Amino acid sequence: EPEVTQTPSHQVTQMGQEVILRCVPISNHLYFYWYRQILGQKVEFLVSFYNNEISEKSEIFDDQFSVERPDGSNFTLKIRSTKLEDSAMYFCASSELGQNTEAFFGQGTRLTVV
Amino acid sequence: GEDVEQSLFLSVREGDSSVINCTYTDSSSTYLYWYKQEPGAGLQLLTYIFSNMDMKQDQRLTVLLNKKDKHLSLRIADTQTGDSAIYFCAETPNRDDKIIFGKGTRLHILP
Repeated sequence: EPEVTQTPSHQVTQMGQEVILRCVPISNHLYFYWYRQILGQKVEFLVSFYNNEISEKSEIFDDQFSVERPDGSNFTLKIRSTKLEDSAMYFCASSELGQNTEAFFGQGTRLTVV
Repeated sequence: GEDVEQSLFLSVREGDSSVINCTYTDSSSTYLYWYKQEPGAGLQLLTYIFSNMDMKQDQRLTVLLNKKDKHLSLRIADTQTGDSAIYFCAETPNRDDKIIFGKGTRLHILP
């Protein structure tokens, strides 16, 4: 069964460092998303991406965040200068249709900023 | 703004039915979802219901939607140990393509 894969499963980084979280969406999907879940809190929408551009982003997705689809298969989330409060589980998702009727999620990357 | 609320914990005896409840605020929600998250795994879409439906059944799962009260429930019949997980209620507002999640209900199965 096709699945969304994310790497790494766990990343530890020092405050102020840049991190890149990687995702391989399902191959025929056209819409891509990043969500995050801070421990004990809700899963929050960060950004959606379609046709090589951001289609929507939340207030959380400020200038320190960026997304890219560098090679037609990977979908990355970059955090330029990590803060302690960026520590969270980051989920990538993809769907065929933009209304998220069947959004498939990856297993998540746990980011720990120390 | 949009919000989804659900209780954080539920304990059920093996073989009994589990009922997980959720309330939401956005009356223009188009799709309402239940996702399951097992330890160390991603979010798995269990089932979803369109806002013009009252009920959807899929094997052991029954979803009930009361649109007037903005209340969604997930019933798992004959709960098994493999059902132990966190269950997230979620909705898509009509005009957007993002999903709004609740905090998740941790379902604990008692022997």
